[in-house]
Amino acid sequence: DVKVTQSSRYLVKRTGEKVFLECVQDMDHENMFWYRQDPGLGLRLIYFSYDVKMKEKGDIPEGYSVSREKKERFSLILESASTNQTSMYLCATKDRGNEKLFFGSGTQLSVL
Amino acid sequence: GDSVTQMEGPVTLSEEAFLTINCTYTATGYPSLFWYVQYPGEGLQLLLKATKADDKGSNKGFEATYRKETTSFHLEKGSVQVSDSAVYFCALKMNTGFQKLVFGTGTRLLVSP
Repeated sequence: DVKVTQSSRYLVKRTGEKVFLECVQDMDHENMFWYRQDPGLGLRLIYFSYDVKMKEKGDIPEGYSVSREKKERFSLILESASTNQTSMYLCATKDRGNEKLFFGSGTQLSVL
Repeated sequence: GDSVTQMEGPVTLSEEAFLTINCTYTATGYPSLFWYVQYPGEGLQLLLKATKADDKGSNKGFEATYRKETTSFHLEKGSVQVSDSAVYFCALKMNTGFQKLVFGTGTRLLVSP
């Protein structure tokens, strides 16, 4: 079965810090996604990538950037963390031509 | 734009009760529809899907029928178990363009013994 691994389950950072969230998948999927999950708002797409070095903005990209240097790894970067970026961050992958998304277990980020 | 609306939770039921979680959608074309489930401490996983009108998706005793006339995809289960306690997300995917998923806000289900 597909394994999507997010590097940290819980993370606490200070306002203004640069934050890296890492996601690694083991199934050679082309497409990778970063979502944030907030109560009452559901999942909102931040960025996605359909190939190495390719990236596209999702619905809420402001304050975030991404990096995909290798097919299996998709990193979400908060250049200067702010308190309104406190959230659960979920990484997901999808094989081209397949509708099913595979999710990691999430990183709960708190920005103080 | 495309969107999904779910009933607010939490939905609180006793074991063996009948479950309905309502989901309606707005889309310009003919989307595929999904239910994802998130168990405590885990990521989301696909529960069931339907790709065209009148299709019924089913899995683990859960069912949902794609109703184009009412733009709905309600999730049902005849007899819930404590282990069904989770957050359920309805989602749609347009079948043109990049095909990203649009999620609803999620509905928490709590089942007591």
